[in-house]
Amino acid sequence: AQSVTQPDIHITVSEGASLELRCNYSYGATPYLFWYVQSPGQGLQLLLKYFSGDTLVQGIKGFEAEFKRSQSSFNLRKPSVHWSDAAEYFCAVGAGNNDMRFGAGTRLTVKP
Amino acid sequence: GAVVSQHPSRVICKSGTSVKIECRSLDFQATTMFWYRQFPKQSLMLMATSNEGSKATYEQGVEKDKFLINHASLTLSTLTVTSAHPEDSSFYICSARAPYSYEQYFGPGTRLTVT
Repeated sequence: AQSVTQPDIHITVSEGASLELRCNYSYGATPYLFWYVQSPGQGLQLLLKYFSGDTLVQGIKGFEAEFKRSQSSFNLRKPSVHWSDAAEYFCAVGAGNNDMRFGAGTRLTVKP
Repeated sequence: GAVVSQHPSRVICKSGTSVKIECRSLDFQATTMFWYRQFPKQSLMLMATSNEGSKATYEQGVEKDKFLINHASLTLSTLTVTSAHPEDSSFYICSARAPYSYEQYFGPGTRLTVT
């Protein structure tokens, strides 16, 4: 079965600084990879996804992620963080068998 | 497109009672729906997968007699928490998958508090 690791539980960045959230996955075949954002008490919003093709994926709100098969990674990046980006971020890996597994999440705090 | 709704968004019930949560795909037919549970400051844990017209498949450790799932139509799945206890208090999120798609669309979640 697939699994996801988000090594960073909590990250603090200054507004305007760049951001990278790490995600490593384990799966025997080509995975389907997702990044979601969740504000407190809210549901999940899809930021971006990777199914195939170009390994650099552009998402909403200025986020992008790069699939690196050799490193089993799908890190999320943003060049300049805004205060409104403070939230919980989840990486998820899906497989053809309907399963979607989520990482533990990374809480992002943005300093003014 | 691809909107999933949940009702209610918040519910408070007394210990020992049952509560039903609805998950609807509003603009597409969902052959498969999923139910997740999320404890505070934790990730989503898959509880069960339901396919329209068939019995749900529960993850290991999830009591199927306590968490009753019904997927009676292509746009509606329900989760009934029976004989609720305070430890069932949690955030329940559903998702729906359209045919021939690997993507799941998530509902806004239901906050259940059992007193």
